[in-house]
Amino acid sequence: DQQVKQNSPSLSVQEGRISILNCDYTNSMFDYFLWYKKYPAEGPTFLISISSIKDKNEDGRFTVFLNKSAKHLSLHIVPSQPGDSAVYFCAARDGANSKLTFGKGITLSVRP
Amino acid sequence: GAGVSQTPSNKVTEKGKYVELRCDPISGHTALYWYRQSLGQGPEFLIYFQGTGAADDSGLPNDRFFAVRPEGSVSTLKIQRTERGDSAVYLCASSPSSGGNTGELFFGEGSRLTVL
Repeated sequence: DQQVKQNSPSLSVQEGRISILNCDYTNSMFDYFLWYKKYPAEGPTFLISISSIKDKNEDGRFTVFLNKSAKHLSLHIVPSQPGDSAVYFCAARDGANSKLTFGKGITLSVRP
Repeated sequence: GAGVSQTPSNKVTEKGKYVELRCDPISGHTALYWYRQSLGQGPEFLIYFQGTGAADDSGLPNDRFFAVRPEGSVSTLKIQRTERGDSAVYLCASSPSSGGNTGELFFGEGSRLTVL
């Protein structure tokens, strides 16, 4: 049973437009939610996180929104750039044991 | 180096052989994690060390998999009697404690294991 779900396998957007990446979760014990970015043949790199007690966190072009009642979070990238093209993983931390549970990832392609 | 270092970066072996994968975490990081990523999937948790002890090994798929961290720094993931289904990228991550204030883990580039 997947506790973190990224239901769309891919997303393609035009350079300069907004990219919205979605993620759903089922475990109410998660205390932090994170987004990681991964290029081919590299390890995942941390992008941005949000505490479960917040509803928004912003860092430059990246904003993460959390809707706890819907158990849903989203990552907004604006404006999107070709260098943003990568696989994006949503992850959630279980406050009881600190390990991260990842979604399957979404491949973002930003067209010049 | 400053980041998490994993060796080898690529390993090709035959079914039934024994394999060791090594992880050198960021200096001073007490928490160390092993994950496995299969094609088209997200990283899947295997085991977590806090210092020298395995705090959570619930993700190890069976008793062919074992990991150690004898001095609280470098860790080795050991796979006995490898099977084709073990083929994946094995990722190591570390953090200052149990993910610190943000839950962030710092990942290495992974060891790609191919079992023929």
